[in-house]
Amino acid sequence: AQKITQTQPGMFVQEKEAVTLDCTYDTSDQSYGLFWYKQPSSGEMIFLIYQGSYDEQNATEGRYSLNFQKARKSANLVISASQLGDSAMYFCAMREGGIGSYNTDKLIFGTGTRLQVFP
Amino acid sequence: ETGVTQTPRHLVMGMTNKKSLKCEQHLGHNAMYWYKQSAKKPLELMFVYNFKEQTENNSVPSRFSPECPNSSHLFLHLHTLQPEDSALYLCASSQDRGGRRNTEAFFGQGTRLTVV
Repeated sequence: AQKITQTQPGMFVQEKEAVTLDCTYDTSDQSYGLFWYKQPSSGEMIFLIYQGSYDEQNATEGRYSLNFQKARKSANLVISASQLGDSAMYFCAMREGGIGSYNTDKLIFGTGTRLQVFP
Repeated sequence: ETGVTQTPRHLVMGMTNKKSLKCEQHLGHNAMYWYKQSAKKPLELMFVYNFKEQTENNSVPSRFSPECPNSSHLFLHLHTLQPEDSALYLCASSQDRGGRRNTEAFFGQGTRLTVV
C-alpha cells in the first residue's frame, strides 16, 4: 500500500525566513511522482511543485524547492523568504504508476501541515 | 475564468434531499476527478473519468452518483446522504497522456457540503 506521512500538523515561521515542511512516502513502485499543493482558506488546492522519481535534480519553482532524498523516501518542501500570503495548509501527494500505466492520476495525499507566517 | 469551477460553493441539505454538485474545467483536459476532504483526514479519491469513461470508483457508496456528459463537465449527484458525508468535495482535472508524464491535477475551490 502507498502512504504519505506529514508529521507536522502545524508550523510557524517569521516573515522572510525559510521553512521546511516534511513529507515521507512509502511505495513499492519504481516510477512515481511527488507533488506539493497549497490550500488556502478559500479551499482551492493550488499546485506548487512536482518531482519525478527518476529526476536527478531537485525540483525548484520560484521560492519553492523540493528536497528529494530517494533513499530515505522523503520529499520535503522548502519555502524561502516566507510571505504572509504563504499561510495555508500544505499537502504532500504521490501519484502511483508511470510510463506504461494507463490511469496514472490517482493522487494519494498526506494529512497536511498548517503553516502560519507571522510578521 | 478560473481553470476549474465548482458550483455551488456551499450546500446544506437534509438527509432525504437530492442535490447535484457541478464541476466545469476550461483547460482542455481529458481526465476529471472527485475527491472528498473530511476534517483531519487526507483527501480521498472518489471517482476518476478518462475521456468521459469512468475508470475508477474507489468503493464509494451508491448514494453518490457521478456523471460525466463530456470531457469538460462533471457532476456528483447526491441522494439520501448521511451526516458523516459532510465534507469539502473537490473536483480536479488533468491531461492524461496515457502513462507518460501527465500534467499535474488542477483543482476547483470545492463545495462545502453539510448534511443535516
